[in-house]
Amino acid sequence: KQEVTQIPAALSVPEGENLVLNCSFTDSAIYNLQWFRQDPGKGLTSLLLIQSSQREQTSGRLNASLDKSSGRSTLYIAASQPGDSATYLCAVKSPSGTYKYIFGTGTRLKVLA
Amino acid sequence: EAQVTQNPRYLITVTGKKLTVTCSQNMNHEYMSWYRQDPGLGLRQIYYSMNVEVTDKGDVPEGYKVSRKEKRNFPLILESPSPNQTSLYFCASSLTNLDTQYFGPGTRLTVL
Repeated sequence: KQEVTQIPAALSVPEGENLVLNCSFTDSAIYNLQWFRQDPGKGLTSLLLIQSSQREQTSGRLNASLDKSSGRSTLYIAASQPGDSATYLCAVKSPSGTYKYIFGTGTRLKVLA
Repeated sequence: EAQVTQNPRYLITVTGKKLTVTCSQNMNHEYMSWYRQDPGLGLRQIYYSMNVEVTDKGDVPEGYKVSRKEKRNFPLILESPSPNQTSLYFCASSLTNLDTQYFGPGTRLTVL
């Protein structure tokens, strides 16, 4: 059964730092992987979607990579800002034929001004 | 505005009193899904739908029902709610099986 792990559970960094959030999954047979942001009391906002055939995706200061063989994805945030403070979640989708998603428990990020 | 809406946003109810949480999307999406979010457990998928009249179980379907009679709506039904169904519920949708999911704002349910 697919399991998704995000370490660390919480992270505090000073403003301006580059940082990496990690997502690990146990079954490499995934269809795609998504990174989301969740602000307190709010819904999830999609950040990046990586299809299984892709190695990385970029959007502004965000870069997500995917290494299926090792069961890992990283989300790189450049020049962090206080507005980046949120919980970051990754989710993997099971192979074609279903619409099943497994989420990690998230990394709570705090960027200090 | 393209969005996923959920109603109600907050609900306090008592054990055994049937309730429905509505979910509607205006993006003509084929795929829709319900999740619950609990501290320490993250988001877990309850049910999903890949088209009208096509629904299937996620990881935690016990105690829930869904229906998909129209493309835009995907209500979540709790026939006999229990306190362990107290949670934050999210509805999500996507255009295809490959696309990103768009999430609703969430429904905070408390069952006493």
